[in-house]
Amino acid sequence: SQQGEEDPQALSIQEGENATMNCSYKTSINNLQWYRQNSGRGLVHLILIRSNEREKHSGRLRVTLDTSKKSSSLLITASRAADTASYFCATRLGSKLTFGTGTRLQVTL
Amino acid sequence: GAGVSQSPRYKVAKRGQDVALRCDPISGHVSLFWYQQALGQGPEFLTYFQNEAQLDKSGLPSDRFFAERPEGSVSTLKIQRTQQEDSAVYLCASSLDGLAGYEQYFGPGTRLTVT
Repeated sequence: SQQGEEDPQALSIQEGENATMNCSYKTSINNLQWYRQNSGRGLVHLILIRSNEREKHSGRLRVTLDTSKKSSSLLITASRAADTASYFCATRLGSKLTFGTGTRLQVTL
Repeated sequence: GAGVSQSPRYKVAKRGQDVALRCDPISGHVSLFWYQQALGQGPEFLTYFQNEAQLDKSGLPSDRFFAERPEGSVSTLKIQRTQQEDSAVYLCASSLDGLAGYEQYFGPGTRLTVT
């Protein structure tokens, strides 16, 4: 079964705007990861944040993690049309990755 | 270098047929994972290999699903007597060492449609 929920399920923004997606999960974790999936490139790893970290940056991506609330957020700044994709959070415990339900992001020109 | 490859990319099977899906991991990757992704959902874990050993098969939905990795490299996911609910994309991923927490690299998936 899925680990948790992502919010919103779908998001439509204009190019240049910021996009924020949220993820909630249910169990203890070692780390939390964000992935992007589109038809052209399959499932691609974006960024990983460990359970003892609170915030992490990578290029236009900013991830936060609140283990007390069992939630994470992904911020994409200055969005581009090429960011159009589905975004999934995935929690890791041991060797197993458990994915959320995903947010479909549409970036329009 | 080459990424994870899967074949076939698309498979149509009649209900009741057996299918075999192949995964070629990145060379040297010790760990291999299989996931099932239903339409509009996130991937769900099926099973995990460390070399040729199947360490976790807790996600396999029924005894009709069987996975093997006999030489610790290529893996095959076999589904016997396919049912319509088996229709999904089957993703394979590999990593240097799943137990050590290395990143998983995903293949393009095999889209299985059971008619």
